[in-house]
Amino acid sequence: GENVEQHPSTLSVQEGDSAVIKCTYSDSASNYFPWYKQELGKRPQLIIDIRSNVGEKKDQRIAVTLNKTAKHFSLHITETQPEDSAVYFCAASSSGYSTLTFGKGTMLLVSP
Amino acid sequence: DSGVTQTPKHLITATGQRVTLRCSPRSGDLSVYWYQQSLDQGLQFLIQYYNGEERAKGNILERFSAQQFPDLHSELNLSSLELGDSALYFCASSVEGTPEKLFFGSGTQLSVL
Repeated sequence: GENVEQHPSTLSVQEGDSAVIKCTYSDSASNYFPWYKQELGKRPQLIIDIRSNVGEKKDQRIAVTLNKTAKHFSLHITETQPEDSAVYFCAASSSGYSTLTFGKGTMLLVSP
Repeated sequence: DSGVTQTPKHLITATGQRVTLRCSPRSGDLSVYWYQQSLDQGLQFLIQYYNGEERAKGNILERFSAQQFPDLHSELNLSSLELGDSALYFCASSVEGTPEKLFFGSGTQLSVL
């Protein structure tokens, strides 16, 4: 089955800095890669996703890049703000009704 | 609010006991997924139902079982509970046509003492 590795497990940045979280996956058939944000005590929420026919996708201060050859994808957050502090999860799935396999999460702390 | 409803929010019980967690998906969603979240294991997929039928099974223990009823709500039954079963249990549903996009409920925090 699919295996998703996520790094780093924790990331501390100063407000205004950029943050990058990286994930690798094992199943070459995977073609959908979402990122979820989970604030303390809250539910995971989808913030951005990318499919394998696209190399990069941006939404305001967040962007995701995908390298299918190397089987890795990354989340980039620019101009970080304290409200970006949360746990971020990457995930992967293949087409159809395949379930999502999640990475173990990255705790991002943005200091004012 | 994602529209996925989970009850109860908190559950405290003793080892060896049996509990039932309940989930109502978003209106119109036919799929229900159960995930277990613990500090060291992240989000672990347990089981998926689609329109009453089991669709996929993940790392679900034999002591755990689930079902989806005709009104599409789902229940996760955990029996012979152990200390290690303490975790946050999430239910999620997905829109028909985009099964990968999950909408999570607020979770049930299970504490086994």
